Amino acid sequence: EIVLTQSPGTLSLSPGERATLSCRASQSVSSSYLAWYQQKPGQAPRLLIYGASSRATGIPDRFSGSGSGTDFTLTISRLEPEDFAVYYCQQYGSSPRSFGQGTRLEIK
Amino acid sequence: EVQLVQSGAEVKKPGESLKISCKGSGYSFTSYWIGWVRQMPGKGLEWMGIIYPGDSDTRYSPSFQGQVTISADKSISTAYLQWSSLKASDTAMYYCARHAEPSSIAALAPWGQGTLVTVSS
Repeated sequence: EIVLTQSPGTLSLSPGERATLSCRASQSVSSSYLAWYQQKPGQAPRLLIYGASSRATGIPDRFSGSGSGTDFTLTISRLEPEDFAVYYCQQYGSSPRSFGQGTRLEIK
Repeated sequence: EVQLVQSGAEVKKPGESLKISCKGSGYSFTSYWIGWVRQMPGKGLEWMGIIYPGDSDTRYSPSFQGQVTISADKSISTAYLQWSSLKASDTAMYYCARHAEPSSIAALAPWGQGTLVTVSS
């Protein structure tokens, strides 16, 4: 089973700043089958990025994903107030699919 | 619009059985895998398993194999997650989510609104 480790656990930033979230896999994620999700309190998760770097439908271009192999990054170029939430990475290239433990992005 | 609508919150006692549902609309239900994800109170997301409604091909996480049953009724575009004997540790929010592409290898989108299951004596 592929274990995903996200860092940092909590990230405190201000609106307008740039956020960089990391997701490291215990073994290579095949074909960059890596996704990022955003979850706000009381809501279901929402897909942001799939295939490591492709934005899902309707996702603003301030969100970008990069990486391959075992190291992946989600970058939010300029934080908007609505971006403060919990972010999860997920690998879906091998079974069982697995999620990282999440990074909480909070307002500083 | 592609939508997944889940059944309502449940409160059960340990040892009871339960079946929760996830109804898909706005797309060809038999062409996309549907997955189930658990979120325990205050915790992260856990992938439980997936089903292909077209032929009921089902795959489970080893952590959930034997603990739950995933099924689907394509005649009414509905997937299910069921327990035969609930435990207090099954208390969680359960989400269904469709694969974003008609493939067994895909990210999850969209998601249902979640079903909160509370197991308490």
